[in-house]
Amino acid sequence: QQQVKQSPQSLIVQKGGISIINCAYENTAFDYFPWYQQFPGKGPALLIAIRPDVSEKKEGRFTISFNKSAKQFSLHIMDSQPGDSATYFCAALRDNYGQNFVFGPGTRLSVLP
Amino acid sequence: EAQVTQNPRYLITVTGKKLTVTCSQNMNHEYMSWYRQDPGLGLRQIYYSMNVEVTDKGDVPEGYKVSRKEKRNFPLILESPSPNQTSLYFCASSPRGRNQPQHFGDGTRLSIL
Repeated sequence: QQQVKQSPQSLIVQKGGISIINCAYENTAFDYFPWYQQFPGKGPALLIAIRPDVSEKKEGRFTISFNKSAKQFSLHIMDSQPGDSATYFCAALRDNYGQNFVFGPGTRLSVLP
Repeated sequence: EAQVTQNPRYLITVTGKKLTVTCSQNMNHEYMSWYRQDPGLGLRQIYYSMNVEVTDKGDVPEGYKVSRKEKRNFPLILESPSPNQTSLYFCASSPRGRNQPQHFGDGTRLSIL
């Protein structure tokens, strides 16, 4: 119940295509769902985040869709670019204090030119 | 420049030789965390700290110690390292409050022989 599942493990998309990464959780107490982007040799960086009282959040080419009843959320990258090639992690906040996070296993995205 | 600084970035050592990985942040953040990243497992939280002298265990605390004597520093101590602690380690910090983004360092790659 403390896990976040993430799929696919790896994803190859052509430039201009749509990249979709899915995550699922079981514990309904999870609150606040961020997505992180990680480039080789760097730490993860916050990309976009959503709260469970919102069904969708969009920032530029990046959109989170959230389905509270199904306990699933997904990241959509529109018009994918080679510069988007990175590893993406979904995460969930487990406590009320703002620090106890659980992460998905990650998705390695490759966008072909 | 706002940043989280980890040292060393790379370390190869032997089983049983005590080591410390330092973490320092210059953003006056209350919250700090340590994670380890392993292939296929994503980031797993080792310890986190809500403030000076306040720490708590994450998901994988066995074999690790932490201390938070100053707000800016949060060292990770391996008293008797073992090969299963070979991993990529990240320190993160965030401001007090819910739904605050975590800022990650660039990682420390530890190899325990």
